Amino acid sequence: GQQLNQSPQSMFIQEGEDVSMNCTSSSIFNTWLWYKQDPGEGPVLLIALYKAGELTSNGRLTAQFGITRKDSFLNISASIPSDVGIYFCAGHNSGGSNYKLTFGKGTLLTVNP
Amino acid sequence: NAGVMQNPRHLVRRRGQEARLRCSPMKGHSHVYWYRQLPEEGLKFMVYLQKENIIDESGMPKERFSAEFPKEGPSILRIQQVVRGDSAAYFCASSTRRDTIYFGEGSWLTVV
Repeated sequence: GQQLNQSPQSMFIQEGEDVSMNCTSSSIFNTWLWYKQDPGEGPVLLIALYKAGELTSNGRLTAQFGITRKDSFLNISASIPSDVGIYFCAGHNSGGSNYKLTFGKGTLLTVNP
Repeated sequence: NAGVMQNPRHLVRRRGQEARLRCSPMKGHSHVYWYRQLPEEGLKFMVYLQKENIIDESGMPKERFSAEFPKEGPSILRIQQVVRGDSAAYFCASSTRRDTIYFGEGSWLTVV
């Protein structure tokens, strides 16, 4: 089946630092999504990307849909303590099943005040 | 994820019992999805339903698991004769047509 490789697995940074994480796929995706999950909660959609090469921002977050359609990255600028959580990339491929998301295993972000 | 309501949030069952998880989609959403998250893993697709129809259940285990979304009332994910390996977080999501899906806060099932 499809796999998403998400890296890094975890990050420990100081408040104010910028953060970058990425996902790569073994196959082409036509949508990339980035979610954040807090402990004991459901994933919350941060950014959705629908076109290869697309660069989208949401406040301090910026994400890009790779040209090859097999990768995406998420950047967080000037991190703050509430950025702590697990960040998941997810995508679905060109097969038409746009509800059947494949998720990465997540990047655990810890921000030291 | 505001608006997709799941209950119970936490459920403890002994091996062999049944677990029923409920999901009310966001207002105006007629498409419901169930995903499962094992510890330290990403979410995995289980089933996609519309009112009174199962559209895709390719991610559902073949035995003991079933899902429904009746004409009236919430969607139900039912797990019969639970085993320890069923312990996980179960997330419901909903959408309009096949647009961006939004997740609920999850139901954490613990099998003891």
